Amino acid sequence: SYEVSQAPSVSVSPGQTANITCSGDALGDRATYWYQQKSGQSPVLVIYRHTKRPSGIPERFSGSSSGDTATLTISATQATDEADYYCQAWDSTNVVFGGGTKLTVL
Amino acid sequence: QVTLKESGPALVKPTQTLTLTCTFSGFSLTASGMRVSWIRQPPGKALEGLAHIDWDDNKFYSTSLRTRLTISKDTSKNQVVLTMTNMDPVDTATYYCARSRTLGGDWVAFDVWGQGTMVTVSS
Repeated sequence: SYEVSQAPSVSVSPGQTANITCSGDALGDRATYWYQQKSGQSPVLVIYRHTKRPSGIPERFSGSSSGDTATLTISATQATDEADYYCQAWDSTNVVFGGGTKLTVL
Repeated sequence: QVTLKESGPALVKPTQTLTLTCTFSGFSLTASGMRVSWIRQPPGKALEGLAHIDWDDNKFYSTSLRTRLTISKDTSKNQVVLTMTNMDPVDTATYYCARSRTLGGDWVAFDVWGQGTMVTVSS
């Protein structure tokens, strides 16, 4: 079965750029989605189909994908961006989530 | 405004059957391209997709849980029901329902989530 993997944690200073990566075999060929989950809350979709932002998501959030890696980039990171971030892809009709990356804004 | 809300028991005993209901508003599951999914998250762990049901009644189940899951919809009540048989302590988790849909030719997965309902499996 298809799997995607994420680093458990990423740290960033306020105002800097955070890059959160997701790896999987030929992941760039699959539509990739990113979700933000703050402590005690439900996940929120922040990027769909590699690069698209749902309405209401700040432009600071962007996505890219190539080869075996998809990347969520958060520019000018704010303290409110501290959360767990999950990537998600599809294996046929089976949904596949990464293990999540905890973003700490120091 | 699109909302989804999960309901069901907070505590079930091992071997029992869990029944969860997702009641939604702000969209119709009869509309082309709509889908409601169930996703769970054990405490401190990652998300796991369980099942989904589409506007045309197409259904899909997680490979690992296929034999234990049943999903159905009642469009007149705007509800999607998930049953999971033979519950085990490892099934302790927050269970979410979420909407997916087509938008401008794109598939937008899980664009709105419910608040989640915590289910504990214990004797």
